[in-house]
Amino acid sequence: DAGITQSPRHKVTETGTPVTLRCHQTENHRYMYWYRQDPGHGLRLIHYSYGVKDTDKGEVSDGYSVSRSKTEDFLLTLESATSSQTSVYFCAISESGMLNTEAFFGQGTRLTVV
Amino acid sequence: AQKITQTQPGMFVQEKEAVTLDCTYDTSDPSYGLFWYKQPSSGEMIFLIYQGSYDQQNATEGRYSLNFQKARKSANLVISASQLGDSAMYFCAMRESYNQGGKLIFGQGTELSVKP
Repeated sequence: DAGITQSPRHKVTETGTPVTLRCHQTENHRYMYWYRQDPGHGLRLIHYSYGVKDTDKGEVSDGYSVSRSKTEDFLLTLESATSSQTSVYFCAISESGMLNTEAFFGQGTRLTVV
Repeated sequence: AQKITQTQPGMFVQEKEAVTLDCTYDTSDPSYGLFWYKQPSSGEMIFLIYQGSYDQQNATEGRYSLNFQKARKSANLVISASQLGDSAMYFCAMRESYNQGGKLIFGQGTELSVKP
Protein backbone atom coordinates (compact mmCIF):
# COMPACT_ATOMS: atom_id res chain seq x y z
CA ASP A 1 0.00 0.00 0.00
CA ALA A 2 1.15 3.52 -0.80
CA GLY A 3 2.31 5.35 2.30
CA ILE A 4 -0.31 8.06 2.63
CA THR A 5 -1.65 9.20 5.95
CA GLN A 6 -4.44 11.69 6.41
CA SER A 7 -5.03 13.36 9.74
CA PRO A 8 -7.33 13.71 11.43
CA ARG A 9 -9.56 10.91 10.19
CA HIS A 10 -12.67 12.46 11.71
CA LYS A 11 -13.36 15.99 12.85
CA VAL A 12 -16.34 17.96 14.01
CA THR A 13 -15.91 21.70 14.03
CA GLU A 14 -18.05 24.78 14.42
CA THR A 15 -18.99 27.19 11.70
CA GLY A 16 -16.50 30.01 11.37
CA THR A 17 -13.52 28.19 12.84
CA PRO A 18 -10.36 27.47 10.87
CA VAL A 19 -9.55 23.86 10.12
CA THR A 20 -6.41 22.27 8.72
CA LEU A 21 -6.26 18.79 7.26
CA ARG A 22 -2.93 17.12 6.75
CA CYS A 23 -1.77 14.69 4.12
CA HIS A 24 1.55 13.00 4.73
CA GLN A 25 3.26 10.67 2.26
CA THR A 26 6.36 8.53 2.49
CA GLU A 27 6.60 7.75 -1.24
CA ASN A 28 8.49 10.88 -2.29
CA HIS A 29 5.89 11.45 -5.02
CA ARG A 30 5.93 14.84 -6.64
CA TYR A 31 2.21 15.32 -7.23
CA MET A 32 -0.39 15.64 -4.50
CA TYR A 33 -4.09 16.35 -4.66
CA TRP A 34 -6.98 17.25 -2.40
CA TYR A 35 -10.49 16.13 -3.32
CA ARG A 36 -13.82 16.33 -1.62
CA GLN A 37 -16.45 13.63 -2.05
CA ASP A 38 -20.13 14.40 -1.81
CA PRO A 39 -23.12 12.29 -2.86
CA GLY A 40 -24.11 13.02 -6.43
CA HIS A 41 -20.94 14.95 -7.13
CA GLY A 42 -18.31 12.26 -7.04
CA LEU A 43 -14.81 13.46 -6.31
CA ARG A 44 -14.14 17.10 -6.99
CA LEU A 45 -10.65 18.51 -7.12
CA ILE A 46 -9.99 21.29 -4.63
CA HIS A 47 -6.29 22.04 -5.06
CA TYR A 48 -3.29 20.16 -6.29
CA SER A 49 0.47 20.45 -6.10
CA TYR A 50 3.12 19.56 -8.65
CA GLY A 51 6.09 20.22 -6.41
CA VAL A 52 7.21 21.95 -3.27
CA LYS A 53 5.61 25.39 -3.17
CA ASP A 54 3.93 24.71 -6.56
CA THR A 55 0.18 24.56 -6.19
CA ASP A 56 -2.84 25.32 -8.31
CA LYS A 57 -6.58 25.53 -7.96
CA GLY A 58 -9.01 22.80 -8.87
CA GLU A 59 -12.73 22.90 -9.61
CA VAL A 60 -13.95 23.86 -6.15
CA SER A 61 -11.19 25.90 -4.54
CA ASP A 62 -13.27 28.73 -3.03
CA GLY A 63 -12.95 28.76 0.75
CA TYR A 64 -9.87 26.54 0.73
CA SER A 65 -6.15 27.18 0.72
CA VAL A 66 -3.21 24.80 0.59
CA SER A 67 0.45 24.77 1.40
CA ARG A 68 3.29 22.47 0.54
CA SER A 69 6.54 23.41 2.18
CA LYS A 70 8.10 19.96 1.84
CA THR A 71 7.59 17.03 -0.45
CA GLU A 72 5.91 14.79 2.07
CA ASP A 73 3.25 17.14 3.42
CA PHE A 74 0.30 18.80 1.75
CA LEU A 75 -1.97 20.83 4.01
CA LEU A 76 -5.54 21.85 3.25
CA THR A 77 -6.94 24.77 5.24
CA LEU A 78 -10.50 25.90 5.56
CA GLU A 79 -10.03 29.48 6.68
CA SER A 80 -13.53 29.82 8.11
CA ALA A 81 -15.46 26.59 7.95
CA THR A 82 -19.04 26.59 6.64
CA SER A 83 -21.69 23.88 6.70
CA SER A 84 -21.31 23.47 2.93
CA GLN A 85 -17.79 22.21 3.57
CA THR A 86 -19.08 19.20 5.45
CA SER A 87 -17.70 16.39 3.33
CA VAL A 88 -15.26 13.55 3.07
CA TYR A 89 -11.85 14.80 2.02
CA PHE A 90 -9.37 12.62 0.17
CA CYS A 91 -5.72 13.21 -0.43
CA ALA A 92 -4.05 11.53 -3.39
CA ILE A 93 -0.49 11.26 -4.61
CA SER A 94 1.04 10.52 -7.98
CA GLU A 95 4.64 9.82 -8.87
CA SER A 96 4.42 11.92 -12.02
CA GLY A 97 1.98 13.95 -14.06
CA MET A 98 2.35 11.62 -17.01
CA LEU A 99 -0.87 10.42 -18.52
CA ASN A 100 -0.55 6.78 -17.47
CA THR A 101 0.50 7.35 -13.89
CA GLU A 102 -2.15 6.28 -11.44
CA ALA A 103 -2.94 8.17 -8.28
CA PHE A 104 -2.95 6.55 -4.85
CA PHE A 105 -5.42 7.70 -2.26
CA GLY A 106 -5.41 8.18 1.47
CA GLN A 107 -8.13 6.79 3.72
CA GLY A 108 -10.12 10.01 3.77
CA THR A 109 -11.07 12.53 6.44
CA ARG A 110 -14.70 12.95 7.42
CA LEU A 111 -15.29 16.59 8.33
CA THR A 112 -18.53 17.81 9.84
CA VAL A 113 -19.15 21.52 10.25
CA VAL A 114 -21.95 22.30 12.71
CA ALA B 1 -18.38 22.35 -18.05
CA GLN B 2 -18.36 18.80 -16.79
CA LYS B 3 -15.39 17.02 -18.27
CA ILE B 4 -16.29 13.54 -17.10
CA THR B 5 -19.88 12.37 -17.09
CA GLN B 6 -21.21 9.18 -15.57
CA THR B 7 -24.91 9.11 -16.29
CA GLN B 8 -25.83 6.06 -14.20
CA PRO B 9 -26.09 6.99 -10.52
CA GLY B 10 -26.92 3.40 -9.62
CA MET B 11 -27.03 0.04 -11.30
CA PHE B 12 -27.96 -3.51 -10.42
CA VAL B 13 -26.52 -6.68 -11.89
CA GLN B 14 -27.10 -10.33 -11.20
CA GLU B 15 -24.15 -12.27 -9.88
CA LYS B 16 -22.10 -13.93 -12.64
CA GLU B 17 -23.48 -11.63 -15.32
CA ALA B 18 -21.53 -8.90 -17.13
CA VAL B 19 -22.21 -5.23 -16.58
CA THR B 20 -21.19 -2.05 -18.38
CA LEU B 21 -20.65 1.22 -16.55
CA ASP B 22 -20.79 4.28 -18.77
CA CYS B 23 -18.32 7.14 -18.89
CA THR B 24 -18.17 9.98 -21.41
CA TYR B 25 -15.60 12.72 -21.41
CA ASP B 26 -14.95 16.06 -22.98
CA THR B 27 -11.54 17.24 -24.09
CA SER B 28 -9.91 19.01 -27.00
CA ASP B 29 -6.53 17.60 -26.08
CA PRO B 30 -5.55 14.79 -28.48
CA SER B 31 -3.43 13.18 -25.78
CA TYR B 32 -5.11 12.08 -22.55
CA GLY B 33 -5.46 9.19 -20.19
CA LEU B 34 -8.55 7.60 -18.71
CA PHE B 35 -8.79 5.73 -15.42
CA TRP B 36 -11.33 3.72 -13.52
CA TYR B 37 -11.35 3.43 -9.75
CA LYS B 38 -13.44 1.33 -7.38
CA GLN B 39 -14.57 2.50 -3.96
CA PRO B 40 -16.03 -0.24 -1.76
CA SER B 41 -18.13 0.61 1.28
CA SER B 42 -14.94 0.71 3.35
CA GLY B 43 -14.10 3.96 1.55
CA GLU B 44 -10.71 3.19 0.04
CA MET B 45 -10.05 4.09 -3.59
CA ILE B 46 -8.72 1.24 -5.70
CA PHE B 47 -7.23 1.74 -9.16
CA LEU B 48 -8.68 -0.71 -11.69
CA ILE B 49 -7.65 0.05 -15.24
CA TYR B 50 -6.05 2.64 -17.51
CA GLN B 51 -6.57 3.57 -21.17
CA GLY B 52 -4.41 6.00 -23.13
CA SER B 53 -5.90 8.00 -25.97
CA TYR B 54 -3.33 6.63 -28.40
CA ASP B 55 -3.60 3.02 -27.27
CA GLN B 56 -4.56 0.86 -30.22
CA GLN B 57 -6.30 -1.78 -28.19
CA ASN B 58 -8.86 -1.64 -25.42
CA ALA B 59 -7.33 -2.10 -22.00
CA THR B 60 -8.03 -5.26 -20.04
CA GLU B 61 -7.18 -6.27 -16.48
CA GLY B 62 -8.57 -9.60 -15.40
CA ARG B 63 -12.36 -9.33 -15.31
CA TYR B 64 -12.20 -5.62 -16.13
CA SER B 65 -12.06 -4.29 -19.65
CA LEU B 66 -12.49 -0.88 -21.10
CA ASN B 67 -14.70 -0.29 -24.12
CA PHE B 68 -12.90 2.73 -25.55
CA GLN B 69 -14.67 4.56 -28.37
CA LYS B 70 -12.55 7.58 -29.10
CA ALA B 71 -14.80 9.19 -31.70
CA ARG B 72 -17.72 9.04 -29.31
CA LYS B 73 -15.52 10.12 -26.38
CA SER B 74 -16.64 7.24 -24.27
CA ALA B 75 -14.67 4.89 -22.03
CA ASN B 76 -17.07 2.38 -20.58
CA LEU B 77 -15.96 -0.13 -17.97
CA VAL B 78 -17.07 -3.71 -18.52
CA ILE B 79 -17.01 -6.10 -15.59
CA SER B 80 -17.43 -9.70 -16.61
CA ALA B 81 -18.78 -12.46 -14.37
CA SER B 82 -19.86 -10.11 -11.60
CA GLN B 83 -19.14 -11.09 -8.02
CA LEU B 84 -20.75 -9.92 -4.80
CA GLY B 85 -17.49 -8.19 -3.95
CA ASP B 86 -17.91 -5.98 -7.01
CA SER B 87 -20.64 -4.05 -5.21
CA ALA B 88 -19.10 -0.59 -4.86
CA MET B 89 -18.92 2.92 -6.26
CA TYR B 90 -17.04 3.19 -9.52
CA PHE B 91 -15.39 6.36 -10.73
CA CYS B 92 -14.09 7.33 -14.14
CA ALA B 93 -11.27 9.88 -14.28
CA MET B 94 -9.21 11.72 -16.90
CA ARG B 95 -5.84 13.38 -17.12
CA GLU B 96 -5.00 15.65 -20.05
CA SER B 97 -1.49 16.12 -21.40
CA TYR B 98 -1.60 19.90 -21.72
CA ASN B 99 -1.91 20.27 -17.97
CA GLN B 100 1.58 20.32 -16.53
CA GLY B 101 0.24 19.84 -13.05
CA GLY B 102 -1.02 16.37 -13.81
CA LYS B 103 -4.54 17.37 -12.87
CA LEU B 104 -6.82 14.34 -12.48
CA ILE B 105 -10.56 14.95 -12.84
CA PHE B 106 -13.26 12.51 -11.74
CA GLY B 107 -16.84 11.87 -12.69
CA GLN B 108 -19.83 11.64 -10.36
CA GLY B 109 -19.57 7.92 -9.94
CA THR B 110 -21.88 4.93 -10.42
CA GLU B 111 -23.00 2.77 -7.53
CA LEU B 112 -23.07 -0.88 -8.57
CA SER B 113 -25.02 -3.44 -6.61
CA VAL B 114 -24.51 -7.12 -7.37
CA LYS B 115 -27.48 -9.34 -6.52
CA PRO B 116 -26.97 -12.97 -5.48
